[in-house]
Amino acid sequence: SAVISQKPSRDICQRGTSLTIQCQVDSQVTMMFWYRQQPGQSLTLIATANQGSEATYESGFVIDKFPISRPNLTFSTLTVSNMSPEDSSIYLCSVWRNYEQYFGPGTRLTVT
Amino acid sequence: AQTVTQSQPEMSVQEAETVTLSCTYDTSESDYYLFWYKQPPSRQMILVIRQEAYKQQNATENRFSVNFQKAAKSFSLKISDSQLGDAAMYFCARFSSGSARQLTFGSGTQLTVLP
Repeated sequence: SAVISQKPSRDICQRGTSLTIQCQVDSQVTMMFWYRQQPGQSLTLIATANQGSEATYESGFVIDKFPISRPNLTFSTLTVSNMSPEDSSIYLCSVWRNYEQYFGPGTRLTVT
Repeated sequence: AQTVTQSQPEMSVQEAETVTLSCTYDTSESDYYLFWYKQPPSRQMILVIRQEAYKQQNATENRFSVNFQKAAKSFSLKISDSQLGDAAMYFCARFSSGSARQLTFGSGTQLTVLP
């Protein structure tokens, strides 16, 4: 298995501000993923983050809005920039290891 | 787009009974993985069961088993002897092991277990 922690677990932010979410994995992984889960919805992939290269963003997500860092093989950050109420969601970090995908506990973001 | 479809937004089952959740998917690949995840109100995504596409034998984990029909692209989850703790949102997902390595989720099925 994989132990993944995320910080913060939840936050309430004002529109126009930015929030950086941290993801820490208990051991090295090549691929890390960031997902968004809007209220009552399924999970949608935002981007894939590989160490040493630019993140690969899915359709509908752009780097200016969701910049991602991947400084090493156990850590990544996702920033939600210039937030609006539509960004209120759960954001989940995930890793692929041993042919299984594991998820962090999520960060619940509310934008007012 | 290669999609994953869960046609049952909500299901209910009596405690100790058996329930089957449906999932179909679309893919052009021959090598992929299928998963069922459980998400209780705590929002933690919990892996329930995994199926490798190249394996013909259906995966089983205690009370959870799958019916994998590769030609039909169907991947249903059977929960036997349902317990109150099984109540959660269940997501079917497919991992593509090709160039676009990513997990694609279905829309989910909310399972209620009735005492």
